[in-house]
Amino acid sequence: DAGVIQSPRHEVTEMGQEVTLRCKPISGHNSLFWYRQTMMRGLELLIYFNNNVPIDDSGMPEDRFSAKMPNASFSTLKIQPSEPRDSAVYFCASRPGQGRSGEQFFGPGTRLTVL
Amino acid sequence: QQQVKQSPQSLIVQKGGISIINCAYENTAFDYFPWYQQFPGKGPALLIAIRPDVSEKKEGRFTISFNKSAKQFSLHIMDSQPGDSATYFCAASISGNTGKLIFGQGTTLQVKP
Repeated sequence: DAGVIQSPRHEVTEMGQEVTLRCKPISGHNSLFWYRQTMMRGLELLIYFNNNVPIDDSGMPEDRFSAKMPNASFSTLKIQPSEPRDSAVYFCASRPGQGRSGEQFFGPGTRLTVL
Repeated sequence: QQQVKQSPQSLIVQKGGISIINCAYENTAFDYFPWYQQFPGKGPALLIAIRPDVSEKKEGRFTISFNKSAKQFSLHIMDSQPGDSATYFCAASISGNTGKLIFGQGTTLQVKP
C-alpha cells in the first residue's frame, strides 16, 4: 500500500488566494482526519470524517476553511481566502474502522506558505 | 477535560542515556494511549501504544509506563541514540468512537553523540 497520499507537498500562495489541499486515504480505511501543525499551537485536529460523513468540525478555525469527502478515496481541505496566519503544515490521516486499534496513519503533509 | 498535557517541551540527552517524556490527562473515559514519533519533514507515525489494563508496555528500547490512579503515562527511551532525535507526541482517545485522538503539545528530543 502506498500509504496516505497528500498533494501538493508544498504550496506557496499570496494572501487572498484560494488554496485546495488534497488527500487520498489508505484503501479500506473508514475514518479521515485533517490536522494543522505549527510551532506555536502544535498538532491541531481541524475536522474528521467517518464513512465520508463529517463528524466533528469544531477545530476548523473559521468560515474560510471548508473540507469535503465526496467518496471514500478522496478528501479536500479548502481555504478561501487564504491569510498569512494560515501558513502551516497540514496533515491528513486515515484510520481503519475495524478492531480496537486506534492507530492513525499520517500522510507526508502539505507545507503551506501564504505571503 | 479533553486536554492531554505533555512535558517537557524539549529534551537533550547524551547518547546511551535515558529519555523520559511525561503526559497527564483528566478524562477518565480515555482508554487508549499512543505515542507518535515525528521526524523533520515527515508525518507522525505510531511508535507504541498502551491500554489501561496494563501498567507497562515495552517494545525494544521504548517503554510506556501507565499510572491509572494518577492519570499519567510516560515514555522511556533506553540507550537513547542520535537516530531517536525527533518530536514525540503523546495522545489519548476513547475506544469505540471514530478514533479521535487528543494530542499533547509535543516534545522535541535531541540525542547528542
